[in-house]
Amino acid sequence: AQSVAQPEDQVNVAEGNPLTVKCTYSVSGNPYLFWYVQYPNRGLQFLLKYITGDNLVKGSYGFEAEFNKSQTSFHLKKPSALVSDSALYFCAVRDRWNFNKFYFGSGTKLNVKP
Amino acid sequence: DGGITQSPKYLFRKEGQNVTLSCEQNLNHDAMYWYRQDPGQGLRLIYYSQIVNDFQKGDIAEGYSVSREKKESFPLTVTSAQKNPTAFYLCASSIDGGGATYEQYFGPGTRLTVT
Repeated sequence: AQSVAQPEDQVNVAEGNPLTVKCTYSVSGNPYLFWYVQYPNRGLQFLLKYITGDNLVKGSYGFEAEFNKSQTSFHLKKPSALVSDSALYFCAVRDRWNFNKFYFGSGTKLNVKP
Repeated sequence: DGGITQSPKYLFRKEGQNVTLSCEQNLNHDAMYWYRQDPGQGLRLIYYSQIVNDFQKGDIAEGYSVSREKKESFPLTVTSAQKNPTAFYLCASSIDGGGATYEQYFGPGTRLTVT
């Protein structure tokens, strides 16, 4: 079965510091991985995805994610956090055998303090 | 929210009533999805549809029904059989090009409260 796990319910970081939001996955075969962000009472917005190729993927709003096959991880990173980055972040994997199914992690709340 | 509209934003119903949530997209996407979001549980798939007049149950379809009469529209009905319907409901769509590389686009959500 395909699944993703986000081990941290909440991450706190000071503005200007680097941030990391963790995601690990469990899939058969090569994974198709995604990060989304959700602001309060809003839908999810796509940030970036890993399909194949370079392990470092760059996305929207200065975010990037590093795919690590040996550690089955896909951590979201940003070199310098902004207060406006405070939101709920979801990691997701798309089932490559039934590609209409996405599996989402439980979400990580990022708090960036001034 | 990427060309997907959901209405209404907030919905209040009495227990025992059916209620229909609207989802419309103008992205020309074939695939559409309904998710339920509860605090601390992430998103859970209710139903999805790859093509008009066809849809499949997701992981938590009991107490819900859908229709897909038009490519742009995928309404969700929360029936009185759904034991715990109060939640935030999200509609999404995606290109269905025969591959798994495409991301989903989400609507703004409908918060349903049943009392």
